Amino acid sequence: DTGVSQNPRHKITKRGQNVTFRCDPISEHNRLYWYRQTLGQGPEFLTYFQNEAQLEKSRLLSDRFSAERPKGSFSTLEIQRTEQGDSAMYLCASSPLWPGSTDTQYFGPGTRLTVL
Amino acid sequence: DAKTTQPTSMDCAEGRAANLPCNHSTISGNEYVYWYRQIHSQGPQYIIHGLKNNETNEMASLIITEDRKSSTLILPHATLRDTAVYYCIVRVDKIIFGKGTRLHILP
Repeated sequence: DTGVSQNPRHKITKRGQNVTFRCDPISEHNRLYWYRQTLGQGPEFLTYFQNEAQLEKSRLLSDRFSAERPKGSFSTLEIQRTEQGDSAMYLCASSPLWPGSTDTQYFGPGTRLTVL
Repeated sequence: DAKTTQPTSMDCAEGRAANLPCNHSTISGNEYVYWYRQIHSQGPQYIIHGLKNNETNEMASLIITEDRKSSTLILPHATLRDTAVYYCIVRVDKIIFGKGTRLHILP
């Protein structure tokens, strides 16, 4: 399968713990996006990278959240001191960015986080 | 905020064409119209996109009005597997999702 992969698919944690999610984009896609989706809502943009550079962060991304893409390939999203309000589906998407492309984003299956 | 308006839900009989409307009256000249769908508990799936011309691929057709203020996604022969939330999006870079249209395919 050459699509976007995310791990783990499910994570249950206790309030106050730190969690880290991983996203592996489609090979050679140089843009990588993170979104969060709560029940009954559409996904909300969190941040995105072009290669290893983090170009934009939403105001939804509080100080407890940090995202990295150290070598311009996979990315991690870490949440420190989790709160119950962090319970959501965390989605990753990747897109190509080369001349003539239209930055179509392809999504992974998501990581569902439950904070107890 | 999302720049599109879609009906909250729609029903379509299996085997018939599903026509999903979307209004985007404030679309800018460089913004594309994208459609995604999301089946329960899965990530959004790309369907189709266009700028001003009508587009067709193996999944669907996209009809964009001449003034670009609205569009229609057409699933030519709906099946039960097409039951999903369909999002119409206008964008240049990051996606701002609205609430989408919940499409129910009726057997």
